[in-house]
Amino acid sequence: AQRVTQPEKLLSVFKGAPVELKCNYSYSGSPELFWYVQYSRQRLQLLLRHISRESIKGFTADLNKGETSFHLKKPFAQEEDSAMYYCALQTSNTGKLIFGQGTTLQVKP
Amino acid sequence: DAGITQSPRYKITETGRQVTLMCHQTWSHSYMFWYRQDLGHGLRLIYYSAAADITDKGEVSDGYVVSRSKTENFPLTLESATRSQTSVYFCASRSEGPVQETQYFGPGTRLLVL
Repeated sequence: AQRVTQPEKLLSVFKGAPVELKCNYSYSGSPELFWYVQYSRQRLQLLLRHISRESIKGFTADLNKGETSFHLKKPFAQEEDSAMYYCALQTSNTGKLIFGQGTTLQVKP
Repeated sequence: DAGITQSPRYKITETGRQVTLMCHQTWSHSYMFWYRQDLGHGLRLIYYSAAADITDKGEVSDGYVVSRSKTENFPLTLESATRSQTSVYFCASRSEGPVQETQYFGPGTRLLVL
């Protein structure tokens, strides 16, 4: 079955602390993985995609096929990082996405 | 402002009523999608469309109907609203590009069914 799991509903850290938002997937093929972010009262927007191997707003994510994971990391959290984060799996060129349940990141001052 | 828009942004209705949520995009993207966002479930796909007059069901399509007579519009209709359809609905679109191409999301419609 195709599935994305984000085990933490809420992750609360202090400003300046490292952050890791976990994402595990289940898919037999070659996955295309994304992280989307939703700031308060705003629409979902792409944060990063694994194929680009980029760093956006200090966040990075590495695809680990052995562990079927795509964890999102940032070495020093900022208050403006507080948002809902969704990991998503794309399984075909139709663009259909399978989302995880989402993790709310709360960065305290 | 160009992009993807949804209307209404907020809607309160009663059980049994028909409700239509509108989605409009200005990019001429081929693919369009409807998701619902619920706590504990993330976003779940309701319907998607690969082009005008081509639509297909997603994970949670029961009780919903879509149409796509024009590329830029993708309305979602709740034929007879139920309380379980209280949710936030997001429309999204995507170009035909490579598989890594991202989806662009609308601002969402908050629907309350009483």
